[in-house]
Amino acid sequence: EIVLTQSPGTLSLSPGERATLSCRASQSVSSSYLAWYQHKPGQAPRLLIYGASSRATGIPDRFSGSGSGTDFTLTISRLEPEDFAVYYCQQYGNSLTFGGGTKVEIK
Amino acid sequence: EVQLVESGGGLVQPGGSLRLSCAGSGFTFSRYWMSWVRQAPGKGLEWVANIKQDGSQKYYVDSVKGRFTISRDNAKNSLYLQMNSLRAEDTAVYYCARGRFDYSYYFDYWGQGTLVTVSS
Repeated sequence: EIVLTQSPGTLSLSPGERATLSCRASQSVSSSYLAWYQHKPGQAPRLLIYGASSRATGIPDRFSGSGSGTDFTLTISRLEPEDFAVYYCQQYGNSLTFGGGTKVEIK
Repeated sequence: EVQLVESGGGLVQPGGSLRLSCAGSGFTFSRYWMSWVRQAPGKGLEWVANIKQDGSQKYYVDSVKGRFTISRDNAKNSLYLQMNSLRAEDTAVYYCARGRFDYSYYFDYWGQGTLVTVSS
């Protein structure tokens, strides 16, 4: 099973700042099979990025994904108040797994 | 508008059973893989099971194999999860999600979830 490790666990930032979230895989992951989600308490998770770098329908261009192999990154260029949430990466190799999440909180 | 609405959660004793349902609307249900994903209290997301469009292929996370069964009724636009021999560690919010498992592998729409609590 491929383990995804997300860092940092918590990111404390102010609105307008840039957020850089890391997702590291224990084995190489096909870029086609790497996705990112946003999750707020009491709400449905929301797909942000699929195929490592493709934005999902309706996702603002301040969200971008990059990376390959074992290292992937989600970048939020300028944090808006609605962006404070938990973010998960997800991969499919021989099984489907999620990372432990990064909480982006207001500083 | 794509909508997924889960139901059937509740409090159940260890060793008991529960059946979750998910009603899909706003899309052609029979054309998509469907999945269940759960989140235990204070924990992250965990994939539980997938089912192919026609129900011919089903996959499970190891921890639920032999206890949970995923199924679907395309005529009713509905997805199900039959959960037997429930354990305390199955306590979680269970989400229904639409799977995009063709050229990539991700979940593009999710429901709001239904809470399952396993406790005596």
